[in-house]
Amino acid sequence: EVQLVESGGGLVKPGGSLRLSCAGSGFTFSDAWMTWVRQAPGKGLEWVGRIKSKTDGGTTEYAAPVKGRFTISRDDSRNTLYLQMNSLKIEDTGVYYCTARTWGQGTMVTVSS
Amino acid sequence: DIQMTQSPPSLSASVGDRVTITCRASQNIGTYLYWSQQRPGKAPKLLFYTASSLQTGVPSRFSGSGSGTEFTLTISSLQPEDFATYYCQQTYSAPLTFGGGTKVEI
Repeated sequence: EVQLVESGGGLVKPGGSLRLSCAGSGFTFSDAWMTWVRQAPGKGLEWVGRIKSKTDGGTTEYAAPVKGRFTISRDDSRNTLYLQMNSLKIEDTGVYYCTARTWGQGTMVTVSS
Repeated sequence: DIQMTQSPPSLSASVGDRVTITCRASQNIGTYLYWSQQRPGKAPKLLFYTASSLQTGVPSRFSGSGSGTEFTLTISSLQPEDFATYYCQQTYSAPLTFGGGTKVEI
């Protein structure tokens, strides 16, 4: 069974940092282009960014609101995707999902003083 | 950036109804389109990739069509578990933008 499990969410003050993880299983993780999507409370889905497979260059792309603050990386030996979030803002609050067609259950990030 | 516009933003329907949701792209995206379903309080679930390719396990009452700039998601006979919000997403070029969603209510 294809599965993605996110972790690492929590409460952080504005300007702080947080690292999210996403563990994949049931598929060839190293071949997958992995994506982060977020959803603010009561709002729609927002694409955050993605990382290509290493065979396709391993490059990253980001949405404008997070570019320069967030970094996506992957460890194919651990079948794990990461989202390093720095200089967090209140508007970064929401549920963060990792996806590769299948979606994880999400992890909640709350940015508040 | 490519803008994705869904219509209607919400609709009311009954069990057994035929429902159609439209998604328009601001430029030609071929068939680089996903449709996803999100039930209240749950993670989204992919229904279609490449506009009309049904994801494994999705019931056949769902169908997707379209190419270029206009796409539709149709539910042929609405079931109780289909009351949810539906999102289109273009996968043609980054940023991979979503439509605003269509909430299907009873």
